[in-house]
Amino acid sequence: NAGVTQTPKFQVLKTGQSMTLQCAQDMNHNSMYWYRQDPGMGLRLIYYSASEGTTDKGEVPNGYNVSRLNKREFSLRLESAAPSQTSVYFCASRGPGLPSGNTIYFGEGSWLTVV
Amino acid sequence: ELKVEQNPLFLSMQEGKNYTIYCNYSTTSDRLYWYRQDPGKSLESLFVLLSNGAVKQEGRLMASLDTKARLSTLHITAAVHDLSATYFCAVDEYYQLIWGAGTKLIIKP
Repeated sequence: NAGVTQTPKFQVLKTGQSMTLQCAQDMNHNSMYWYRQDPGMGLRLIYYSASEGTTDKGEVPNGYNVSRLNKREFSLRLESAAPSQTSVYFCASRGPGLPSGNTIYFGEGSWLTVV
Repeated sequence: ELKVEQNPLFLSMQEGKNYTIYCNYSTTSDRLYWYRQDPGKSLESLFVLLSNGAVKQEGRLMASLDTKARLSTLHITAAVHDLSATYFCAVDEYYQLIWGAGTKLIIKP
């Protein structure tokens, strides 16, 4: 059981380049999330998807777009990368059923550097 | 705005000692989570606390929740080096979790 799988694990981008972070879960979860984690800080929510076909902004959505491709997959796109987007990105999923009280499971993280 | 505050943010302690990490939050949520993160790694779920007075224990770690005080504690008993990590609490706000800044715990032999 792979759980939450995200790719790539490491990426270096030049300012202005675009890229997509991929995430897939095999736990039949309804809710999926993208977080960023900066040094010495907690997790900040970028976007989330409560169910297939829906997406909502989190705390720090500017500069990002997301797609909930199907129940399994939730991708994060940086259209024009900026150095401020240098961070570790975590995909996560939660479920099934109502989200409250359910554990969130995290992927291994994607280390992104924008130069 | 829901806020989650952890303290201390950094803790260095000796093996064998006891200590407590505190997590205060600003809403009436009754669902709180504790996670562990090792350096360069992902986050691992430790405890899910779903009601006032909930207490859960796993090995040397024990977590409790007081929803009236809006406070959760993570107590470490007779610390060992392997417990060195960063510990996060998070509070449930419907589809989102709101996270504390984390407590970096270093346990010295």
